[in-house]
Amino acid sequence: AQRVTQPEKLLSVFKGAPVELKCNYSYSGSPELFWYVQYSRQRLQLLLRHISRESIKGFTADLNKGETSFHLKKPFAQEEDSAMYYCALVSGTYKYIFGTGTRLKVLA
Amino acid sequence: DAGVTQSPTHLIKTRGQQVTLRCSPKSGHDTVSWYQQALGQGPQFIFQYYEEEERQRGNFPDRFSGHQFPNYSSELNVNALLLGDSALYLCASSQGSRGTQYFGPGTRLLVL
Repeated sequence: AQRVTQPEKLLSVFKGAPVELKCNYSYSGSPELFWYVQYSRQRLQLLLRHISRESIKGFTADLNKGETSFHLKKPFAQEEDSAMYYCALVSGTYKYIFGTGTRLKVLA
Repeated sequence: DAGVTQSPTHLIKTRGQQVTLRCSPKSGHDTVSWYQQALGQGPQFIFQYYEEEERQRGNFPDRFSGHQFPNYSSELNVNALLLGDSALYLCASSQGSRGTQYFGPGTRLLVL
């Protein structure tokens, strides 16, 4: 079954500390993976997609097919990074499958 | 461009009733997808519309139906509402099925 798992509901880190938001997926095929972010009182928005291999707001994510993971990382967390983060997978038939999300709290 | 817009913002219905939610896509987008987001969960894919036809569907019963109009706007209809249908309903638009999805603010539905 196609599934996206985000094991942490809440992750708290101090400002300036490294951040890693975990995402594991289950998919038979070549997945297309995304990270979406939702800041307080804002709509869900795309943070990055693995095929573009770009860094947005200092965040990067590497697709590890062996471990079926797509963890989101940032070397130095900022207070403005506090938000809800969702990992998502797109199947070959373009169905989007989202994880349950991780709330990141960056403490001053 | 206001981006993706949805109406209404909030809605209260009773069990057994029917509801229609509306979505206007971002300018230049031709594909609309609908999601249900229950409290504490990630968005769950309901279906996607392109060229006025339902192209993909998630694991939702036939009570959930939709429509896309020639101007690419879309409606989500839910019949015979159940308490479990209470959720935030999100609309996302894109250029084609593979385009980046832009989300609307959602419609919060409460079924009593």
